[in-house]
Amino acid sequence: AQSVTQLDSHVSVSEGTPVLLRCNYSSSYSPSLFWYVQHPNKGLQLLLKYTSAATLVKGINGFEAEFKKSETSFHLTKPSAHMSDAAEYFCVVSDTGGGSQGNLIFGKGTKLSVKP
Amino acid sequence: ETGVTQTPRHLVMGMTNKKSLKCEQHLGHNAMYWYKQSAKKPLELMFVYSLEERVENNSVPSRFSPECPNSSHLFLHLHTLQPEDSALYLCASSRQGTDTQYFGPGTRLTVL
Repeated sequence: AQSVTQLDSHVSVSEGTPVLLRCNYSSSYSPSLFWYVQHPNKGLQLLLKYTSAATLVKGINGFEAEFKKSETSFHLTKPSAHMSDAAEYFCVVSDTGGGSQGNLIFGKGTKLSVKP
Repeated sequence: ETGVTQTPRHLVMGMTNKKSLKCEQHLGHNAMYWYKQSAKKPLELMFVYSLEERVENNSVPSRFSPECPNSSHLFLHLHTLQPEDSALYLCASSRQGTDTQYFGPGTRLTVL
């Protein structure tokens, strides 16, 4: 069975410093992995998606994530945090492999705070 | 925001009321989903429709009744809800055969 674990429920950084949001996954086959962001009182916005084409995935707003099979990790990073990055971030795995239609398994979310 | 719209954005209802949530997608997708997001809980998948047929119902109580009249519209009919049903209800859509879902802004439901 597929599962995803977000290791931190809350991360706080200062504006201009790097962001690291950690995610570990469990999957029986080559997974599709996603990061979504949810700003307060908004829906979920797709940040980026991994589908085995390249291990380093670039997303919107300067975010990127690296797929590491040996560590079963898919951590989200950004070199320099901006105040507008304050939001909740969800790591997600698809319960089928190869990008075919399946259900998404969501992590519990990491709330990112950015201090001025 | 993302081509998926939801109305209303906020809804307050009593336990004896009947109301409906509406979702519309403008992305040409043919699979649609309802999710429930409660405080401090992971997102819960409620219903999946693919090509207008329900393909999954994750043991959702019968007081929630989905309807998918065509590939662009999805409804969630609500009746005799409980206060614990208060949550953010999110709609999503995808192209059939792919796993990338696009979400609407949600309806914040409060049951009194």
